[in-house]
Amino acid sequence: GENVEQHPSTLSVQEGDSAVIKCTYSDSASNYFPWYKQELGKGPQLIIDIRSNVGEKKDQRIAVTLNKTAKHFSLHITETQPEDSAVYFCAASSTGTYKYIFGTGTRLKVLA
Amino acid sequence: NAGVTQTPKFQVLKTGQSMTLQCAQDMNHNSMYWYRQDPGMGLRLIYYSASEGTTDKGEVPNGYNVSRLNKREFSLRLESAAPSQTSVYFCASSVGQGNSPLHFGNGTRLTVT
Repeated sequence: GENVEQHPSTLSVQEGDSAVIKCTYSDSASNYFPWYKQELGKGPQLIIDIRSNVGEKKDQRIAVTLNKTAKHFSLHITETQPEDSAVYFCAASSTGTYKYIFGTGTRLKVLA
Repeated sequence: NAGVTQTPKFQVLKTGQSMTLQCAQDMNHNSMYWYRQDPGMGLRLIYYSASEGTTDKGEVPNGYNVSRLNKREFSLRLESAAPSQTSVYFCASSVGQGNSPLHFGNGTRLTVT
């Protein structure tokens, strides 16, 4: 069935460095790719998303890139800060369905 | 704007007991969802409601039932709880189908002993 693989499962970076999280999806019909941040004890919150007609999207220190040919997309966080520490999830979905396939999450630790 | 509100936040059940998890959204969204989150397994869809009056099974529906009470509310019922249902349950809503963002509640942590 459809799945989304996410790597790495844990990531530690020094404050001010960049962090990159990668996801690969299997369903070629997928055309919507959101990223969520989950802090301890809270629900996932959307931080950025990208649709298949775009190759890259930026929002301040966060960017997402999409390679449809290779079926992978990545989250880039620059100038990391301690408050970026959280679990990040990627997901893939497609128009006409209600099923979002989530990756297994990446625990990001930003060391001060 | 409260967004998506889930109650209760925590619950402990004994095997065989029943309970209903409540969810309400105030964003006038059409679609609502129930997910469970287990360590190392990401978020898995239990049931969803594309619009008021409809419900459909997701990836892991066994042992659960749902009710879309109205446009705002979507409840999840465990008729006879089992230890395998120990998990964190999240309700979410979206404007429409699978190319719009999900908005999540803060979850219900359920333990079944």
